[in-house]
Amino acid sequence: GDSVTQMEGPVTLSEEAFLTINCTYTATGYPSLFWYVQYPGEGLQLLLKATKADDKGSNKGFEATYRKETTSFHLEKGSVQVSDSAVYFCALSVNTGNQFYFGTGTSLTVIP
Amino acid sequence: DTGVSQNPRHKITKRGQNVTFRCDPISEHNRLYWYRQTLGQGPEFLTYFQNEAQLEKSRLLSDRFSAERPKGSFSTLEIQRTEQGDSAMYLCASSFTGSNSPLHFGNGTRLTVT
Repeated sequence: GDSVTQMEGPVTLSEEAFLTINCTYTATGYPSLFWYVQYPGEGLQLLLKATKADDKGSNKGFEATYRKETTSFHLEKGSVQVSDSAVYFCALSVNTGNQFYFGTGTSLTVIP
Repeated sequence: DTGVSQNPRHKITKRGQNVTFRCDPISEHNRLYWYRQTLGQGPEFLTYFQNEAQLEKSRLLSDRFSAERPKGSFSTLEIQRTEQGDSAMYLCASSFTGSNSPLHFGNGTRLTVT
């Protein structure tokens, strides 16, 4: 079945460090891939997306490239800030988009 | 675009009671989804609507759970005879049709069953 696997956390980084959160997927069709971010006490917010192979999604300094050959969609940021502390979820949708599949989330804490 | 709105934000109830949550989606969106999220986990799909039609329900969804979306606008999720295991964050999301369209989430309703 369709699923998403993302690296477990928690991840703790110093401000201005490089961030990578790994995400791999299994899908029977041609999925669209998403990263969502969740701040404490809030719902999930779309961070970026990519809809086909080799697409790069980017937003707020975060990037992720849809890699079909490795079935991956790793999230990266070159220099994290304290305000990036949150839980990050990788997700996919397939076909008609009637269902989204989410990873278990990776908690990121950035310390000054 | 006022975003997805959920009410109440928090609900504490005693085991065995019924609860109802409301979700107001983004008005232009024709799809509405309900998810459940427990601590340390990603959102778990419960059900979704296309306009007023409920098109899919999770096989894990107990028959104590029911959702409606009259007139294809707001939606309600009712849990009957609540159990402690129902304690979770209930998230509502809406979107346009199509796998390219991202979900837009509300801030959720946190249910605590005592």
